[in-house]
Amino acid sequence: DADVTQTPRNRITKTGKRIMLECSQTKGHDRMYWYRQDPGLGLRLIYYSFDVKDINKGEISDGYSVSRQAQAKFSLSLESAIPNQTALYFCATSDDPGQGAKTQYFGPGTRLLVL
Amino acid sequence: LAKTTQPISMDSYEGQEVNITCSHNNIATNDYITWYQQFPSQGPRFIIQGYKTKVTNEVASLFIPADRKSSTLSLPRVSLSDTAVYYCLVGNSSASKIIFGSGTRLSIRP
Repeated sequence: DADVTQTPRNRITKTGKRIMLECSQTKGHDRMYWYRQDPGLGLRLIYYSFDVKDINKGEISDGYSVSRQAQAKFSLSLESAIPNQTALYFCATSDDPGQGAKTQYFGPGTRLLVL
Repeated sequence: LAKTTQPISMDSYEGQEVNITCSHNNIATNDYITWYQQFPSQGPRFIIQGYKTKVTNEVASLFIPADRKSSTLSLPRVSLSDTAVYYCLVGNSSASKIIFGSGTRLSIRP
């Protein structure tokens, strides 16, 4: 979805390096999410944020941190990258139309390789 | 630990109806069921969402039995462009629970 952009699209880094993955959205949504996708495991939630003052850990937050710089921007950092963090990372957004689960809109993904 | 289970892969032919079932035995009262479609090198894309019984939109139907421990995504008259990975998601509105299945790779043949 062009309304959700991720940079970079591909990244190769070395063990121990700090890297940041960035996500921007023009949908005007308050909620943003970071997932990782591994072959055979589907998507797993790393962190999510409901507004700029709200950050929540997901299922697999260890080794990651996030920053919600503005409503439209949500960054994921790997403070000291390790090889098992090699994966495809997706950012997503959703609005908050009251009750019910929220439809999520995903970015194109960032492919990260940690050597 | 809550788990969402779906078949790894399915094959079908153009023009056929395809049904993909997801098992979610530990679904909670506040959980909804959502299905996403993913093409290579793209993020998942919303298909359909439901809470119980049947939901239908322009591309698919979602069948949910009374006990809600499973759900079935139905794609009518598939075409080659429906070849993709389909994910079942069980989650609530607060995002405190978001459980994706491991995905079903659907291959459509001419």
